[in-house]
Amino acid sequence: AQTVTQSQPEMSVQEAETVTLSCTYDTSESDYYLFWYKQPPSRQMILVIRQEAYKQQNATENRFSVNFQKAAKSFSLKISDSQLGDAAMYFCAYRSEGGSEKLVFGKGTKLTVNP
Amino acid sequence: DSGVTQTPKHLITATGQRVTLRCSPRSGDLSVYWYQQSLDQGLQFLIQYYNGEERAKGNILERFSAQQFPDLHSELNLSSLELGDSALYFCASSVGDRPHTEAFFGQGTRLTVV
Repeated sequence: AQTVTQSQPEMSVQEAETVTLSCTYDTSESDYYLFWYKQPPSRQMILVIRQEAYKQQNATENRFSVNFQKAAKSFSLKISDSQLGDAAMYFCAYRSEGGSEKLVFGKGTKLTVNP
Repeated sequence: DSGVTQTPKHLITATGQRVTLRCSPRSGDLSVYWYQQSLDQGLQFLIQYYNGEERAKGNILERFSAQQFPDLHSELNLSSLELGDSALYFCASSVGDRPHTEAFFGQGTRLTVV
C-alpha cells in the first residue's frame, strides 16, 4: 500500500519570503499522480498543484512550484513571495494511475505566515 | 465554490444514534468519494462510487455504509455512533474515468458525537 509522509507538522514563514514544505511517499508503482492540497480555516480542500509521475518537468502554478524527485520519492512544495492568505494546512496526496482514483494523504503541515 | 455540495454542515448527535450525510457532486462528475478527517487518523479514504456502483473501499467501518443514487448524489450512513466517530466528513467528486483529473471537495460535514 502507498504511504505519504510529511515530516514537518508546522512551518512558519515571513510574508514575502519563500518556504518549502516536504513530502515523501512510498510506492512500488511507476505511474501515479501527486498533489498538494491546501486547507484554510474555512476547511475547504483546495487543489494547489498537480504532478504526473511520467513528467520530468516540475509543475508550476504562479507562486507555487514543486521539486519532484521520482527516484528519491520526494515531492516538495515551494511557495514564493508568501502571502497572509497562504496560511493553511497543506496536504500532500498520492493517486495511483490505475484502479481506484482514491487519494492517499499525508498528515499535513500547518503553515503560518507572519506579517 | 467547488460545485460539490454537502449537507448538513454541522451535526451533533448522541452515541448509539444513526445519521445520514448527503453529497451532491459537480455537474457531470460520475465518481463520488468519501473521506474522514480526524485529529488522530488524518484524512482517510472511506469509499468510492462510480456511476452508481461501488468502486473502491478503504478504511470504512462495518457500521458505516454508503450509496450513490441514479441522479448521482450520494449518502453516507453512519450507525451505532461512537465518540470516536466525531470527525469532519468530506465528499469529493471527479469525472471518474480519467485518473489525472482533479477531485473537487465539498466543505465537509462536521459530525460531533456526544
